Amino acid sequence: AQSVAQPEDQVNVAEGNPLTVKCTYSVSGNPYLFWYVQYPNRGLQFLLKYITGDNLVKGSYGFEAEFNKSQTSFHLKKPSALVSDSALYFCAVDFGNEKLTFGTGTRLTIIP
Amino acid sequence: DTAVSQTPKYLVTQMGNDKSIKCEQNLGHDTMYWYKQDSKKFLKIMFSYNNKELIINETVPNRFSPKSPDKAHLNLHINSLELGDSAVYFCASSPLATREQYFGPGTRLTVT
Repeated sequence: AQSVAQPEDQVNVAEGNPLTVKCTYSVSGNPYLFWYVQYPNRGLQFLLKYITGDNLVKGSYGFEAEFNKSQTSFHLKKPSALVSDSALYFCAVDFGNEKLTFGTGTRLTIIP
Repeated sequence: DTAVSQTPKYLVTQMGNDKSIKCEQNLGHDTMYWYKQDSKKFLKIMFSYNNKELIINETVPNRFSPKSPDKAHLNLHINSLELGDSAVYFCASSPLATREQYFGPGTRLTVT
């Protein structure tokens, strides 16, 4: 079955430290991979995506993500966290059927 | 200059009623979606339409009926509302080429 896993419900990081939010998916092949962010009482905002090419993709607000085909992972990273990065982050995968399967979300809290 | 808009933002109603949520996008996208986000923030696709044609219909009760009068609108009608329908419903749209989805602000439905 096609699935997306975000193993951490909650990630806490001190302001200024690097952050990583993890995502793995179930099926190998060539899926389209996405990260979205949701601020309180708001809709989801697109951050970045991987379709093909360089394994490291850069997105909005200084975020980047690394695609690892052998580990079927697509972890979200940022070199230096800001308090304003605190939000709910969703990994999503299009397994080629033109619909997004979302992970369960990771709540990121940046501690001042 | 809202890209994807939904009305209403909040909807409180009693069990057994029928209600509609409207969605409009001014991005010129061909594909529109409805998602349901439950109280644990889990996101699941319900429907997608491409150019007014139903493409995806997940295992959603047939009390839920989407209607797309034109490419820019995708409305969701719900009959005989149940307590379990309480959730936040998000509309989204995307261009087929990039598959990035743009989300509306959500409609918080509370069934009492």
